Amino acid sequence: DIQMTQSPASLSASLGETVNIECLASEDIYSNLAWYQQKSGKSPQLLIYAANRLQDGVPSRFSGSGSGTQYSLKISGMQPEDEGDYFCLQGSKFPYTFGAGTKLELK
Amino acid sequence: EVQLVESGGGLVQPGRSLKLSCAASGFTFSNYYMAWVRQAPKKGLEWVATISTSGSRTYYPDSVKGRFTISRDNAKSSLYLQMNSLKSEDTATYYCARIGYLPGYNSYYYVMDAWGQGASVTVSS
Repeated sequence: DIQMTQSPASLSASLGETVNIECLASEDIYSNLAWYQQKSGKSPQLLIYAANRLQDGVPSRFSGSGSGTQYSLKISGMQPEDEGDYFCLQGSKFPYTFGAGTKLELK
Repeated sequence: EVQLVESGGGLVQPGRSLKLSCAASGFTFSNYYMAWVRQAPKKGLEWVATISTSGSRTYYPDSVKGRFTISRDNAKSSLYLQMNSLKSEDTATYYCARIGYLPGYNSYYYVMDAWGQGASVTVSS
């Protein structure tokens, strides 16, 4: 199985600060990487797919990058509504596997 | 508007069975692969099952293979998850998810692009 190592586990960011979250795959996943945001008590929402494609309706301050085994999610200017949990998901090979998640809080 | 509404969750004893349903609307259900994903309390997400558009192909992780069965009824725009021989570690919120086929730079990608609100399953005596 492909292991997804996500970091950091948690972070606190100030309003307007740039945030970076990373996922490292145990093997090449050929950009089959998606990022999700999950707010408290809600279901996950797709932010980024194919490593760097912004899902319709997602604010442009969210961006994704990476290839091979290393991927990252960037939030350019933290907003209060960005608080929540963030997960990466590899869809390259079954079984699909998620990163353990990053809890993002507003400082 | 895409809507996925799960039902059928509840409290069940270890070793017993439970069947979840997911009613889909707002899109042509028969054109999409579908999936189930679960989230144990205060834990991360775990993919549980995927089914092809016709239902002829299904995929599971080892943790549920042989115990869980995903199925669909395209005429009813409904997705199901039959869970047998339930264990305490199956306790989780179960989400139904649509798998979209989305364009990338030079390829298309299968992506879980819409999720239901979840159904809670508790396995306990």
